[in-house]
Amino acid sequence: DAGITQSPRHKVTETGTPVTLRCHQTENHRYMYWYRQDPGHGLRLIHYSYGVKDTDKGEVSDGYSVSRSKTEDFLLTLESATSSQTSVYFCAISESVTSGLNEQFFGPGTRLTVL
Amino acid sequence: KQEVTQIPAALSVPEGENLVLNCSFTDSAIYNLQWFRQDPGKGLTSLLLIQSSQREQTSGRLNASLDKSSGRSTLYIAASQPGDSATYLCAVKAGKGSNYKLTFGKGTLLTVNP
Repeated sequence: DAGITQSPRHKVTETGTPVTLRCHQTENHRYMYWYRQDPGHGLRLIHYSYGVKDTDKGEVSDGYSVSRSKTEDFLLTLESATSSQTSVYFCAISESVTSGLNEQFFGPGTRLTVL
Repeated sequence: KQEVTQIPAALSVPEGENLVLNCSFTDSAIYNLQWFRQDPGKGLTSLLLIQSSQREQTSGRLNASLDKSSGRSTLYIAASQPGDSATYLCAVKAGKGSNYKLTFGKGTLLTVNP
């Protein structure tokens, strides 16, 4: 398995509180991604990073921000959590996007419940 | 906008059967297609990746094919086992101009009965 860990694995929080999820990789891959998975919607891209301090928005980025200060860590922050952000969050990594090394590998997920 | 559809949404088969899972996509300008497996409460495990220039990939009892012109891929599982029970997801990576975004189908829930 690719060396990807996510923390916390489970979190319950209240509406309006800030939440930060962490993704840590030991593969030294350049690209990192945050997805959310919801019944009826499948997996949707929130934000991604193509290098240290280089990030861009995905299709469902509203209400989320990200930061990447080191190659190995990609943080997802919900500035003020809402019930609609209750979901399972997955981090993924890939070494490249243009070569044969562009397979994405996924972390174990974080289950977030916003009450 | 790329859309990925997986049919059927759920499939139940007896152990030992060969089976086919289907994936279709609306925009044929893809860079690659990836098949994943997801067990309940777990992350996604990559099974096979097919580059746009390839027609198929094989790994053990799994064979994935790609027909880019018709916007279709199939995942063939030979001699199914109860341990194959999981949700199978396909995802396509768009080419340049789409930031190489990965678009997922909603998955096929496979149950293999002993």
